[in-house]
Amino acid sequence: SAVISQKPSRDICQRGTSLTIQCQVDSQVTMMFWYRQQPGQSLTLIATANQGSEATYESGFVIDKFPISRPNLTFSTLTVSNMSPEDSSIYLCSVARSDNEQFFGPGTRLTVL
Amino acid sequence: AQSVTQLDSQVPVFEEAPVELRCNYSSSVSVYLFWYVQYPNQGLQLLLKYLSGSTLVKGINGFEAEFNKSQTSFHLRKPSVHISDTAEYFCAVSQTTGNMLTFGGGTRLMVKP
Repeated sequence: SAVISQKPSRDICQRGTSLTIQCQVDSQVTMMFWYRQQPGQSLTLIATANQGSEATYESGFVIDKFPISRPNLTFSTLTVSNMSPEDSSIYLCSVARSDNEQFFGPGTRLTVL
Repeated sequence: AQSVTQLDSQVPVFEEAPVELRCNYSSSVSVYLFWYVQYPNQGLQLLLKYLSGSTLVKGINGFEAEFNKSQTSFHLRKPSVHISDTAEYFCAVSQTTGNMLTFGGGTRLMVKP
């Protein structure tokens, strides 16, 4: 298994500001993902964080709003830019093993006022 | 493209009763299947997975699921639930040739004393 930590665990932010969420894994992994879980809903994939290249975004998500960095095989960041109350969600990172099993971080609970 | 449908958004059940949480999927290619559990204010934890082989899969905490290819289903069952099983349960699929997970909408299991 993989141990994943996220910082911050929660935050309350003002409209128009940006927040960067960090994801750290205890071992090198190839595949890292960022998900959003809106209140009372399921998980939606935002993007795949690629090491050494630009992230791959899913439909409905753009780099200007959710820039992602992946400087090495154990770390990634997701920034939520120019936030609005609609961005209030839990943001989770995950990593995948070769058999497609994904391990999830504890999540970052974001509230935008 | 693939999709996952969890037919029940909420399932109330009394303690020590059996429970079945339903999951159906659609995909034009072979898939791997997963069940995750999310306890309140926590991240996701893998309950069990089907990759290949026996269609009856046993997981943690006494849960099991059966893969039925003809009915494209992967229902989760437990013969006797505990109060501590109260949580949100997510069914997910991924293509065998890729890592991306597609989640169902989730089922909230509410175990009553």
